[in-house]
Amino acid sequence: EVQLVESGGGLVQPGGSLRLSCAASGFTFSSYEMNWVRQAPGKGLEWVSYISSSGSTIYYADSVKGRFTISRDNAKNSLYLQMNSLRAEDTAVYYCARNSLGAYYFDYWGQGTLVTVSS
Amino acid sequence: DIQMTQSPSSLSASVGDRVTITCRASQGISNSLAWYQQKPGKAPKLLLYAASRLESGVPSRFSGSGSGTDYTLTISSLQPEDFATYYCQQYYSTPPITFGPGTKVDIK
Repeated sequence: EVQLVESGGGLVQPGGSLRLSCAASGFTFSSYEMNWVRQAPGKGLEWVSYISSSGSTIYYADSVKGRFTISRDNAKNSLYLQMNSLRAEDTAVYYCARNSLGAYYFDYWGQGTLVTVSS
Repeated sequence: DIQMTQSPSSLSASVGDRVTITCRASQGISNSLAWYQQKPGKAPKLLLYAASRLESGVPSRFSGSGSGTDYTLTISSLQPEDFATYYCQQYYSTPPITFGPGTKVDIK
């Protein structure tokens, strides 16, 4: 069974940093492209970042470019999102999501982890 | 960037109703469209991809159609477990991957 389990969310002050993790199991993690998608309270879905299976190709949404860094450790079956210079508008549930093989839609999602940026 | 819109933003329907949700892209996306269902407090769930292909395990009352810029999600006979928010997503031109704003389906 495919499982994606996020962790690392919490309350952080504006300007602060946080590192999210996503532990993957039930599939060959190193074969799949991965993403972070977020959802602000009461709002819709916003794609945040993408990383290829090897980690060699990375994309970011303009809203987080220069502040967030996506990475992965295929030996540990884990995906990460380092978030720096956090702003109130980054407050959201952050989901890790697996690309379907060969396409940029998401066939599995984690349960999400809440990040709250507030003083 | 490709912008996605959905209509309506919300609708009220009864069990057994036929429901149709429309998604429009700002340019042609060649059927590179996915639909997701999200229930409160839960992660989104993939329903359809390539505009009309049903994801494994998804009931056949869900169907998708469309071409070019305009796509629809149809629920042929609404069931109690279908009350949720539905999102479309284009993957024709990435990055960025873009979602529609969502359509909330609630009980009449």
